[in-house]
Parts: sequence; C-alpha cells; structure tokens
Amino acid sequence: RKEVEQDPGPFNVPEGATVAFNCTYSNSASQSFFWYRQDCRKEPKLLMSVYSSGNEDGRFTAQLNRASQYISLLIRDSKLSDSATYLCVVNANNFNKFYFGSGTKLNVKP
Amino acid sequence: GAVVSQHPSWVICKSGTSVKIECRSLDFQATTMFWYRQFPKQSLMLMATSNEGSKATYEQGVEKDKFLINHASLTLSTLTVTSAHPEDSSFYICSARADRLGYGYTFGSGTRLTVV
Repeated sequence: RKEVEQDPGPFNVPEGATVAFNCTYSNSASQSFFWYRQDCRKEPKLLMSVYSSGNEDGRFTAQLNRASQYISLLIRDSKLSDSATYLCVVNANNFNKFYFGSGTKLNVKP
Repeated sequence: GAVVSQHPSWVICKSGTSVKIECRSLDFQATTMFWYRQFPKQSLMLMATSNEGSKATYEQGVEKDKFLINHASLTLSTLTVTSAHPEDSSFYICSARADRLGYGYTFGSGTRLTVV
C-alpha cells in the first residue's frame, strides 16, 4: 500500500466552482501534513499546512481527519490560475522524511 | 523568504557521462537537504537525504554508487548522476527545510536531465 494516495483527476471545473480533493495516508503516526501546488515542469510550492483543527487561507480550506486518515483541500470560487497539480504531503515516522502523493490535477475552465 | 537555488535547470548529456546537479540554500543554513526524482505523470520520489558533514541516507532501491551525494557545507549539496543512461532521464528536485517557515520545505527549481 502506498504511503499517500490521491485521486489523479483531472478535475475539470468552471470558474467560480467549489472543488475538493482528498488524500489518504497509511501511517497513523504521521504528524505533519501539507498541500503543495505544482505547475507543469516547475517545482512544488507550499500551499498550506494542515492543522488538526483545520485551517483556512482565503479561498482555500484544509482539513485533517485522523480517524479516517485523510486530509482534504477545498477551493472556493475557483480561478483560472488555480489550474495546477495539487500534491498531498505527509511525514513518515522519521520526522525529516516526507512522502508525496502522486498529485491531483485541477483544470479550471472559463 | 527561504530560497533554494538549483543548477542547472536542464541538461542533455550522452549516455555514459556523469552529470552534477547543485542545490544551494541562499539565505539559510540547511543541515539536511533532500533529493527527489519525478518521472512524467508520477509523484516526487525521495531518493536520498543529504546530511552536512556525513554520508547521505539512500532510499531503498536507489543506488548510492550511481547517485553520489555530497553535502560539504551548510548551504550546498550536490547530486552526481554517474554513468548516466537514458532511464535516468527525469526531473530531479532538491529541497531543504527552512526552520523559520515552520515545518514547510522549500524546493529548488528542479533539473530536467535528458540522457541520449
């Protein structure tokens, strides 16, 4: 079983739509969770950390469900510029080691 | 913010030659850097953890004699792909942890290696 699993998509949504992705992780001892955004052939960039209590940053909301071992990312009022691949990142037992999901591709269309 | 500079951005080399990729933390010290590889439409896969002043730790299945890692200073780690073959063609990215960002990691811009 993979450490981190994501639906690869693509998710094709119109501008202004609300879209959500989930990411499941296998290690119940994982402590740190992040969402990264990666544009085509570019390096991943941190979008937001995911806190136990959930957190929001503008149009983006991240949630953690420890019982079911998944994290989610909700994007409201989608913009064309949100089109990218969203990577879920979870740390391993060794805090310094992280595992990346394969990414979920989002296409926001006019 | 914390910046990681990675060079070269892309390189094309002949099969059998060696290629060195540099990763520098520009405004912070990184005792640990990470090297990832990403094949098309696949996730980033951790290859090795680079530790300043000591040997790198390689992930299972990654040949340490083929992918030489040197982390001689707190701001520089290098990955050398030795005797490169076409199957080594990939996108290589380094990352480092900048503590003042909390637990987030900063990534280099990546190196696209094509072996012909």
